[in-house]
Amino acid sequence: GAVVSQHPSWVICKSGTSVKIECRSLDFQATTMFWYRQFPKQSLMLMATSNEGSKATYEQGVEKDKFLINHASLTLSTLTVTSAHPEDSSFYICSATQNGKYNEQFFGPGTRLTVL
Amino acid sequence: AQSVTQLGSHVSVSEGALVLLRCNYSSSVPPYLFWYVQYPNQGLQLLLKYTSAATLVKGINGFEAEFKKSETSFHLTKPSAHMSDAAEYFCAVKGNNDMRFGAGTRLTVKP
Repeated sequence: GAVVSQHPSWVICKSGTSVKIECRSLDFQATTMFWYRQFPKQSLMLMATSNEGSKATYEQGVEKDKFLINHASLTLSTLTVTSAHPEDSSFYICSATQNGKYNEQFFGPGTRLTVL
Repeated sequence: AQSVTQLGSHVSVSEGALVLLRCNYSSSVPPYLFWYVQYPNQGLQLLLKYTSAATLVKGINGFEAEFKKSETSFHLTKPSAHMSDAAEYFCAVKGNNDMRFGAGTRLTVKP
């Protein structure tokens, strides 16, 4: 139980294009989902927290107009990197908390984004 | 605010030797602590978690960690390293809503 999937697992795009990454909780309802970014050989940095049906809360320094987050249902959150640039290349990982169990997050397998 | 500090960005051990990865926490409330393992180009896999029950927590793959309040530590150990243990390990503490990660420790296992 408590499986989180991400799609795609990797994506290559041209500079200036937008890329959407999906995060799904497969066997549970997730009222809260988190988006993390991980640069090579570094730790995970929280980008934003999204609650189903409300606007995401972004961490300081994260551009909300560049990283659009939508959490339209209890099983799906999406992260759209708009007008991507090479410096946006990174490993993006989502996680989710299960309804009523807020002390543990379940992580997706990550999405490798490469912007050319 | 809650935070964790991992001592040592890189640990190298021989196969069969003891693995010790250090993590110290800072928290104004009883912490929920976690250890995760990450293999290259993969997400995080939960090794074990401390949620204020037993102070010695046993996890998967033979790992365990001991919560020591007096030392504000939650070090990860394994009696005998395998080659397959080579990976990046992250200690984490639950924040108000999110998870706060340490910088990570890369474990290398020498044959």
